[in-house]
Amino acid sequence: DAKTTQPNSMESNEEEPVHLPCNHSTISGTDYIHWYRQLPSQGPEYVIHGLTSNVNNRMASLAIAEDRKSSTLILHRATLRDAAVYYCILNSYSGAGSYQLTFGKGTKLSVIP
Amino acid sequence: NAGVTQTPKFQVLKTGQSMTLQCAQDMNHNSMYWYRQDPGMGLRLIYYSASEGTTDKGEVPNGYNVSRLNKREFSLRLESAAPSQTSVYFCASNNKQVRGNQPQHFGDGTRLSIL
Repeated sequence: DAKTTQPNSMESNEEEPVHLPCNHSTISGTDYIHWYRQLPSQGPEYVIHGLTSNVNNRMASLAIAEDRKSSTLILHRATLRDAAVYYCILNSYSGAGSYQLTFGKGTKLSVIP
Repeated sequence: NAGVTQTPKFQVLKTGQSMTLQCAQDMNHNSMYWYRQDPGMGLRLIYYSASEGTTDKGEVPNGYNVSRLNKREFSLRLESAAPSQTSVYFCASNNKQVRGNQPQHFGDGTRLSIL
C-alpha cells in the first residue's frame, strides 16, 4: 500500500496561516491525494483532494509538488475550530473497481489563542 | 440532510455477547465502509461494500461480519464480542469511484466497550 509521512504534531497561532506537510515518495501516477481532519470525538471530515494541480476550496488549499512526492495542506487563517488531527492519505486502487483510504496517525494541530 | 447515520452512539457489552451496529446513508452512494479506531491511532478498514450486493474484507476483518442490506444500509455484526474489540467504529460512504477522486463521508461513530 502507498504510504504517507506526516509530523506527529504542529502548533499555530490563531489567525495565522498553517502549512501542514506530507511526504508520499512511493505515490503512483493514478493515486489521488486526499486530506481529512478529525475533530475531538467526531468522525473524519473531508477537507480537500487533488491529483497533480494545486487545488483550492472554501476550507483550504492543497499544494502538490511537481514530482508529486510531497504535498502541503494550507489553512489560510487558523481558527480555534481548526484544532484537529489532519490525515494525508493516498486513495489507492485496491482491485475489483475499489479504492481504499489507508489512515496513518496524522498530524495533531494545536491552535494557540 | 442527515448524511451518514450510525446507531447506537454508545454501547457496553459483556464478553461473548453479540451485537449489530447499524449504518444508513441518504446520499444515494454506491460504496460503504466500516472502520475501527483505537486510542491514539488512525482508522483501520474492517469491511467495505463497493456496491449493493458485494462485500469485501479490509485490513482487520477477523471477528466481524457485514451485511449490505440495500443501497442505503450497511451493518456490522460482532458474533461473540471480545475485549480487543473495544473501539470506536465509524461508517462511511461515497460515490462509485472511477479514478479514486470521490471523498468519503463519515458518521459520528459508535463507541463500543466490551467488558
